Amino acid sequence: AQTVTQSQPEMSVQEAETVTLSCTYDTSENNYYLFWYKQPPSRQMILVIRQEAYKQQNATENRFSVNFQKAAKSFSLKISDSQLGDTAMYFCAFMKHGGATNKLIFGTGTLLAVQP
Amino acid sequence: DAGVIQSPRHEVTEMGQEVTLRCKPISGHDYLFWYRQTMMRGLELLIYFNNNVPIDDSGMPEDRFSAKMPNASFSTLKIQPSEPRDSAVYFCASSLLKGLGNEQFFGPGTRLTVL
Repeated sequence: AQTVTQSQPEMSVQEAETVTLSCTYDTSENNYYLFWYKQPPSRQMILVIRQEAYKQQNATENRFSVNFQKAAKSFSLKISDSQLGDTAMYFCAFMKHGGATNKLIFGTGTLLAVQP
Repeated sequence: DAGVIQSPRHEVTEMGQEVTLRCKPISGHDYLFWYRQTMMRGLELLIYFNNNVPIDDSGMPEDRFSAKMPNASFSTLKIQPSEPRDSAVYFCASSLLKGLGNEQFFGPGTRLTVL
């Protein structure tokens, strides 16, 4: 069975600075997807970034980028130029590729507070 | 598209009462998921459907929980009888198997409080 671990329950960063959220996972699969979802106080779950395991290049979406280390089973999220609106709970998630399933397995989340 | 729609947004009920949560997925999506979020257990997948057929209900906590998807545009999650430990936020999500890296689109959630 797959598991996702987020070892940082809470983090804080000053506005305009850079912060990195950690995520590790355990799987015997070779092909899979990894995701970071954001949940602001409104509680809406929003996809931040997606990474396909077969791609060596790290995904980037504007101020958000990942450091994907497949051998180490690590998938960290870097937020550059942090903004107050980035304050939210961030969830790392795993999905097996292929077959007839889109089942997501979530980590426990990291609560990020961006300080003015 | 309006996105995934859930109703009600908030529900307060008393222990022993029946609760029905509703979800309308994004049109054209062939997967629908029900999640429960609590402080203690985080986000848990309860059940998911593919083309209206339940595929995996291993996350459903007990027989008091049931879910149906009578057609491609509607699903319900029912709790009967409800208990205080069922208090949580329940999310519905939908996706396409082959679409956009299998992204799941979430609804706004229903906050359930059982007194």
